[in-house]
Amino acid sequence: GAGVSQSPRYKVAKRGQDVALRCDPISGHVSLFWYQQALGQGPEFLTYFQNEAQLDKSGLPSDRFFAERPEGSVSTLKIQRTQQEDSAVYLCASSLNPPGLAGLDPYEQYFGPGTRLTVT
Amino acid sequence: AQKITQTQPGMFVQEKEAVTLDCTYDTSDQSYGLFWYKQPSSGEMIFLIYQGSYDEQNATEGRYSLNFQKARKSANLVISASQLGDSAMYFCAMRENYGQNFVFGPGTRLSVLP
Repeated sequence: GAGVSQSPRYKVAKRGQDVALRCDPISGHVSLFWYQQALGQGPEFLTYFQNEAQLDKSGLPSDRFFAERPEGSVSTLKIQRTQQEDSAVYLCASSLNPPGLAGLDPYEQYFGPGTRLTVT
Repeated sequence: AQKITQTQPGMFVQEKEAVTLDCTYDTSDQSYGLFWYKQPSSGEMIFLIYQGSYDEQNATEGRYSLNFQKARKSANLVISASQLGDSAMYFCAMRENYGQNFVFGPGTRLSVLP
């Protein structure tokens, strides 16, 4: 079956450009997560959607980062006025259920292959 | 303070031997979950194994087992009978209080030698 897909797989942007990264979650998955993974490090949580509602955006590093999921399926992570420190792999993950339901552990996230963003 | 510590940036193991990847965590919550993920060079994070804070027995999934020592806040991954395909980055992660914020460690790069 189809997993989580992300596009583009690679993106090179000049400093100051805006970029948009797309995530197609597994069909029917309620939860969608975005992570930023800098080179040689573990993923860092950016934001979480439950259907179309953005319930947690505590990890977004600045107001240049914006995410949306208007119809509760596809999500877009937008970065405005990119900076070199934005260079990273951006991972999207989806899950059938929302977190917070203890009886459903282990809580499994299904990750996409990521988008590698390089800002020059 | 780091919530997840993985002290081994890189590990080597001979094919067919067992290897232990270390993970220590820091939390004041009573309810939390610990996860291990594998990230091959293709980039996708693959879920391996899970341990809940209230689980009394160590989790096992095939060749993977989790050595959970709650008092020491340790959740080491043991891979038995290593295979060449096990070469990848391995990340320990924690979810506190059933929340949506997963915290990952810096990872350990495992190389399996033929």
